[in-house]
Amino acid sequence: GAGVSQSPSNKVTEKGKDVELRCDPISGHTALYWYRQSLGQGLEFLIYFQGNSAPDKSGLPSDRFSAERTGGSVSTLTIQRTQQEDSAVYLCASSPPGQTQYFGPGTRLTVL
Amino acid sequence: GDSVTQMEGPVTLSEEAFLTINCTYTATGYPSLFWYVQYPGEGLQLLLKATKADDKGSNKGFEATYRKETTSFHLEKGSVQVSDSAVYFCALRPTDSWGKLQFGAGTQVVVTP
Repeated sequence: GAGVSQSPSNKVTEKGKDVELRCDPISGHTALYWYRQSLGQGLEFLIYFQGNSAPDKSGLPSDRFSAERTGGSVSTLTIQRTQQEDSAVYLCASSPPGQTQYFGPGTRLTVL
Repeated sequence: GDSVTQMEGPVTLSEEAFLTINCTYTATGYPSLFWYVQYPGEGLQLLLKATKADDKGSNKGFEATYRKETTSFHLEKGSVQVSDSAVYFCALRPTDSWGKLQFGAGTQVVVTP
Protein backbone atom coordinates (compact mmCIF):
# COMPACT_ATOMS: atom_id res chain seq x y z
CA GLY A 1 0.00 0.00 0.00
CA ALA A 2 0.95 3.65 -0.13
CA GLY A 3 3.52 4.98 2.30
CA VAL A 4 3.58 8.25 4.18
CA SER A 5 3.41 11.17 1.80
CA GLN A 6 4.40 14.77 2.39
CA SER A 7 3.89 17.94 0.46
CA PRO A 8 5.43 20.02 -0.81
CA SER A 9 8.71 18.21 -1.29
CA ASN A 10 10.54 21.53 -1.37
CA LYS A 11 9.52 24.93 -0.08
CA VAL A 12 11.48 28.16 -0.39
CA THR A 13 10.10 31.11 1.50
CA GLU A 14 11.15 34.53 2.65
CA LYS A 15 11.91 35.34 6.25
CA GLY A 16 8.76 36.42 8.06
CA LYS A 17 6.31 34.50 5.89
CA ASP A 18 4.09 31.69 7.17
CA VAL A 19 4.36 28.16 5.76
CA GLU A 20 2.19 25.06 5.95
CA LEU A 21 3.57 21.56 5.54
CA ARG A 22 1.28 18.62 4.96
CA CYS A 23 1.51 14.96 5.92
CA ASP A 24 -0.67 12.08 4.75
CA PRO A 25 -0.09 9.06 6.96
CA ILE A 26 -0.41 5.42 6.03
CA SER A 27 -4.07 4.45 6.00
CA GLY A 28 -5.14 3.06 9.36
CA HIS A 29 -2.19 4.44 11.32
CA THR A 30 -3.61 6.29 14.28
CA ALA A 31 -0.31 7.72 15.50
CA LEU A 32 1.47 10.51 13.60
CA TYR A 33 4.77 12.21 14.37
CA TRP A 34 6.67 15.25 13.16
CA TYR A 35 10.46 15.50 13.31
CA ARG A 36 12.98 18.02 12.03
CA GLN A 37 16.33 17.16 10.51
CA SER A 38 18.91 19.91 10.33
CA LEU A 39 22.68 20.00 9.98
CA GLY A 40 23.39 21.46 13.36
CA GLN A 41 20.78 19.63 15.42
CA GLY A 42 20.39 16.20 13.84
CA LEU A 43 16.96 14.58 14.05
CA GLU A 44 14.66 16.28 16.56
CA PHE A 45 11.20 15.24 17.66
CA LEU A 46 8.59 17.97 17.35
CA ILE A 47 5.12 16.61 18.14
CA TYR A 48 3.13 13.38 18.34
CA PHE A 49 -0.54 12.81 17.61
CA GLN A 50 -2.71 9.93 18.71
CA GLY A 51 -5.87 10.35 16.71
CA ASN A 52 -6.59 14.07 16.61
CA SER A 53 -5.06 14.89 19.98
CA ALA A 54 -1.42 15.66 20.72
CA PRO A 55 -0.27 13.98 23.95
CA ASP A 56 3.28 15.18 23.44
CA LYS A 57 4.17 18.48 21.85
CA SER A 58 7.29 18.97 23.91
CA GLY A 59 9.59 19.30 20.90
CA LEU A 60 7.96 22.32 19.28
CA PRO A 61 10.76 24.91 19.43
CA SER A 62 8.64 28.02 19.88
CA ASP A 63 5.09 29.30 19.76
CA ARG A 64 5.61 30.06 16.08
CA PHE A 65 5.22 26.34 15.47
CA SER A 66 1.85 24.62 15.61
CA ALA A 67 0.33 21.46 14.22
CA GLU A 68 -3.10 20.02 13.84
CA ARG A 69 -4.61 16.79 12.70
CA THR A 70 -8.13 16.36 11.48
CA GLY A 71 -10.22 13.27 10.95
CA GLY A 72 -7.46 11.16 12.44
CA SER A 73 -5.64 11.38 9.14
CA VAL A 74 -3.96 14.35 7.48
CA SER A 75 -1.77 16.61 9.58
CA THR A 76 -0.53 20.13 8.92
CA LEU A 77 2.53 21.69 10.52
CA THR A 78 2.42 25.47 10.42
CA ILE A 79 5.38 27.75 11.00
CA GLN A 80 4.53 31.41 11.44
CA ARG A 81 6.91 34.29 10.78
CA THR A 82 9.62 31.96 9.53
CA GLN A 83 13.23 32.55 10.50
CA GLN A 84 16.40 31.38 8.79
CA GLU A 85 17.07 28.90 11.60
CA ASP A 86 13.81 27.15 10.65
CA SER A 87 15.50 25.89 7.47
CA ALA A 88 15.57 22.11 7.71
CA VAL A 89 13.98 18.94 6.39
CA TYR A 90 10.67 18.30 8.14
CA LEU A 91 9.85 14.62 8.42
CA CYS A 92 6.53 13.01 9.17
CA ALA A 93 6.07 9.44 10.36
CA SER A 94 3.07 7.30 11.20
CA SER A 95 2.42 4.05 13.01
CA PRO A 96 -0.18 1.96 14.73
CA PRO A 97 -0.11 2.88 18.44
CA GLY A 98 3.23 1.99 20.00
CA GLN A 99 4.47 0.26 16.88
CA THR A 100 7.27 0.91 14.39
CA GLN A 101 7.27 4.37 12.84
CA TYR A 102 7.36 4.67 9.06
CA PHE A 103 8.75 7.88 7.65
CA GLY A 104 7.78 9.99 4.71
CA PRO A 105 10.28 11.54 2.26
CA GLY A 106 10.27 14.90 4.03
CA THR A 107 9.75 18.52 3.08
CA ARG A 108 12.89 20.57 2.60
CA LEU A 109 12.23 24.09 3.87
CA THR A 110 14.58 26.90 2.94
CA VAL A 111 14.05 30.31 4.53
CA LEU A 112 15.85 33.10 2.70
CA GLY B 1 16.75 12.76 30.03
CA ASP B 2 17.00 10.01 27.50
CA SER B 3 19.82 10.20 24.99
CA VAL B 4 21.60 8.21 22.29
CA THR B 5 25.29 8.46 21.48
CA GLN B 6 26.76 6.96 18.34
CA MET B 7 30.18 7.06 16.82
CA GLU B 8 31.00 9.97 14.60
CA GLY B 9 31.55 9.51 10.93
CA PRO B 10 32.30 9.39 8.22
CA VAL B 11 33.35 5.77 8.33
CA THR B 12 35.10 4.78 5.13
CA LEU B 13 35.47 1.10 4.28
CA SER B 14 36.42 -1.07 1.35
CA GLU B 15 33.88 -3.46 -0.09
CA GLU B 16 33.66 -6.76 1.83
CA ALA B 17 35.08 -5.21 4.99
CA PHE B 18 33.49 -5.67 8.42
CA LEU B 19 31.39 -2.78 9.68
CA THR B 20 30.68 -1.83 13.28
CA ILE B 21 28.86 1.31 14.35
CA ASN B 22 28.79 1.82 18.09
CA CYS B 23 25.65 3.04 19.80
CA THR B 24 25.09 3.56 23.52
CA TYR B 25 22.07 4.96 25.26
CA THR B 26 20.89 6.53 28.48
CA ALA B 27 17.33 5.85 29.49
CA THR B 28 15.21 4.75 32.41
CA GLY B 29 13.43 1.44 32.31
CA TYR B 30 13.45 -0.69 29.21
CA PRO B 31 13.35 1.35 26.02
CA SER B 32 12.94 -0.15 22.57
CA LEU B 33 15.97 0.30 20.32
CA PHE B 34 16.14 0.86 16.58
CA TRP B 35 18.52 1.35 13.71
CA TYR B 36 17.26 3.48 10.84
CA VAL B 37 19.09 4.01 7.55
CA GLN B 38 18.96 6.93 5.14
CA TYR B 39 20.28 6.19 1.66
CA PRO B 40 21.40 9.14 -0.48
CA GLY B 41 18.39 11.14 -1.63
CA GLU B 42 15.92 8.89 0.19
CA GLY B 43 13.87 8.97 3.38
CA LEU B 44 14.51 7.21 6.67
CA GLN B 45 13.89 3.48 6.61
CA LEU B 46 13.74 1.10 9.54
CA LEU B 47 16.68 -1.30 9.33
CA LEU B 48 16.14 -3.38 12.47
CA LYS B 49 14.85 -3.19 16.01
CA ALA B 50 14.92 -4.87 19.41
CA THR B 51 12.37 -4.41 22.15
CA LYS B 52 13.91 -6.15 25.16
CA ALA B 53 17.26 -7.06 26.63
CA ASP B 54 19.29 -9.71 24.75
CA ASP B 55 17.04 -9.46 21.70
CA LYS B 56 18.93 -9.50 18.41
CA GLY B 57 17.54 -7.53 15.50
CA SER B 58 18.66 -8.49 12.01
CA ASN B 59 17.96 -7.45 8.44
CA LYS B 60 19.85 -7.34 5.13
CA GLY B 61 22.92 -8.88 6.75
CA PHE B 62 23.00 -6.31 9.54
CA GLU B 63 22.68 -7.31 13.18
CA ALA B 64 22.45 -5.56 16.53
CA THR B 65 21.99 -7.00 20.01
CA TYR B 66 20.26 -5.14 22.84
CA ARG B 67 22.76 -5.20 25.73
CA LYS B 68 21.21 -3.82 28.90
CA GLU B 69 24.33 -4.37 30.99
CA THR B 70 26.39 -2.10 28.73
CA THR B 71 23.43 0.02 27.52
CA SER B 72 24.53 -0.60 23.96
CA PHE B 73 23.04 -1.54 20.59
CA HIS B 74 25.99 -1.75 18.22
CA LEU B 75 25.31 -2.33 14.54
CA GLU B 76 27.40 -4.88 12.65
CA LYS B 77 27.67 -6.29 9.17
CA GLY B 78 30.18 -8.89 8.16
CA SER B 79 30.79 -7.90 4.55
CA VAL B 80 29.66 -4.51 3.32
CA GLN B 81 28.77 -3.58 -0.24
CA VAL B 82 28.93 -0.26 -2.05
CA SER B 83 25.13 -0.17 -1.82
CA ASP B 84 25.41 0.01 1.99
CA SER B 85 26.75 3.54 1.72
CA ALA B 86 24.28 5.61 3.73
CA VAL B 87 23.73 7.43 7.01
CA TYR B 88 22.80 5.16 9.89
CA PHE B 89 20.83 6.41 12.90
CA CYS B 90 20.50 4.68 16.23
CA ALA B 91 17.30 5.53 18.11
CA LEU B 92 15.36 4.66 21.24
CA ARG B 93 11.72 4.85 22.16
CA PRO B 94 11.34 5.54 25.88
CA THR B 95 9.51 3.08 28.09
CA ASP B 96 6.97 5.65 29.20
CA SER B 97 6.16 6.97 25.77
CA TRP B 98 4.64 5.45 22.70
CA GLY B 99 5.51 8.66 20.97
CA LYS B 100 8.81 10.16 20.21
CA LEU B 101 11.95 8.49 19.05
CA GLN B 102 15.18 9.86 20.42
CA PHE B 103 17.82 9.72 17.68
CA GLY B 104 21.58 9.69 17.73
CA ALA B 105 23.47 12.13 15.52
CA GLY B 106 23.86 9.65 12.69
CA THR B 107 26.94 7.98 11.24
CA GLN B 108 27.79 8.32 7.59
CA VAL B 109 29.22 5.15 6.05
CA VAL B 110 31.06 5.25 2.73
CA VAL B 111 31.93 1.95 1.08
CA THR B 112 34.41 2.07 -1.78
CA PRO B 113 34.85 -0.58 -4.47
